[in-house]
Amino acid sequence: AQTVTQSQPEMSVQEAETVTLSCTYDTSESNYYLFWYKQPPSRQMILVIRQEAYKQQNATENRFSVNFQKAAKSFSLKISDSQLGDTAMYFCAFMTPVYNTDKLIFGTGTRLQVFP
Amino acid sequence: EAGVTQSPTHLIKTRGQQATLRCSPISGHTSVYWYQQALGLGLQFLLWYDEGEERNRGNFPPRFSGRQFPNYSSELNVNALELEDSALYLCASRLAGARGETQYFGPGTRLLVL
Repeated sequence: AQTVTQSQPEMSVQEAETVTLSCTYDTSESNYYLFWYKQPPSRQMILVIRQEAYKQQNATENRFSVNFQKAAKSFSLKISDSQLGDTAMYFCAFMTPVYNTDKLIFGTGTRLQVFP
Repeated sequence: EAGVTQSPTHLIKTRGQQATLRCSPISGHTSVYWYQQALGLGLQFLLWYDEGEERNRGNFPPRFSGRQFPNYSSELNVNALELEDSALYLCASRLAGARGETQYFGPGTRLLVL
């Protein structure tokens, strides 16, 4: 069974600083996708970044980048130049189309607080 | 382009009643997913609908059911409500036939069972 682990329940960072959120996953599949979603206090879940497992290159989206280590099954999110609006719950998620479920498997989340 | 919409925003029911939650996907998206976000249990997959058919369901009892309409909107029904059904129910949609594509989420319906 696939599992996703986020070992940091809470983190804090000062505005303009860099923070890294950790995520590890477990799967025996080679075809899968990884996601980071952000859920601000207003609760709408927003995609931050997406990574395809077959791609070696780490995905980046503006201030957000990932460190995808396939052999180690690690998928950490780096937020550079943190902003107050980055305050949110961050969920790491895994999906494989192999079993015809297409469901997202989520980690338990990391609550990030950005301080001025 | 409008995002995924859900209604109602909040729903208060008592034990034993039925709840109906609604979701409209992004235009062009034919797959709709339902997730439950309960305190202490995290986000769990409930149901997946595609092209009007139920494609997969998570580990939830049969009193959780739903359907997808010809316009791809979806309804989640929860019968015989129990206190532990209190949760945020999130709907997500994705592009037709695009396995592995991003699921886009709606704002959720907060269900409270008293």
